[in-house]
Amino acid sequence: SQQGEEDPQALSIQEGENATMNCSYKTSINNLQWYRQNSGRGLVHLILIRSNEREKHSGRLRVTLDTSKKSSSLLITASRAADTASYFCATDAGGRDDKIIFGKGTRLHILP
Amino acid sequence: DGGITQSPKYLFRKEGQNVTLSCEQNLNHDAMYWYRQDPGQGLRLIYYSQIVNDFQKGDIAEGYSVSREKKESFPLTVTSAQKNPTAFYLCASSNWGDWTEAFFGQGTRLTVV
Repeated sequence: SQQGEEDPQALSIQEGENATMNCSYKTSINNLQWYRQNSGRGLVHLILIRSNEREKHSGRLRVTLDTSKKSSSLLITASRAADTASYFCATDAGGRDDKIIFGKGTRLHILP
Repeated sequence: DGGITQSPKYLFRKEGQNVTLSCEQNLNHDAMYWYRQDPGQGLRLIYYSQIVNDFQKGDIAEGYSVSREKKESFPLTVTSAQKNPTAFYLCASSNWGDWTEAFFGQGTRLTVV
């Protein structure tokens, strides 16, 4: 069963524009994380937001969390060609166990 | 350097053979995970382990087996019962009880020939 679902599945934008990706999940969580994957590589952690937080920033990344809507968004500002990658949200199972569940991801392509 | 290492990077298997994928971590993490990723798709959880000598099935455990005899190691065996094993396999580890970040290996690409 998929806990997180990212939207859109794919996104192409011009370099310099902002990119927004969304994630919806089904059950209660302790925290939500965003990861990045370059083609054919492992995933790299970007940012974590806890269930009692509403917004978090890290460099050009801004993450929001709305637990009432069971959704999160990742905003990448001033996009660069190097941001081209797939982005995944991941959630725990709300403390019942340590399963980490990933969504299907958003494929982001930055056009020069 | 601390990290998580998967080997081999590429693996070819003949139909009907079992193969074992290696995953080793020196991060002193209690929890380890195996995921399968198909082209253009997300990660699906195969098995996970929270502690030595214990592991749980994920969403797609059929045709796979694991062991956790040491904290540092969590090998995955793809058995002949797995009907469509060609995929990209990712291993990860994290702290248990206070999940702040999962660290991933670079993956093993398994192809059935």
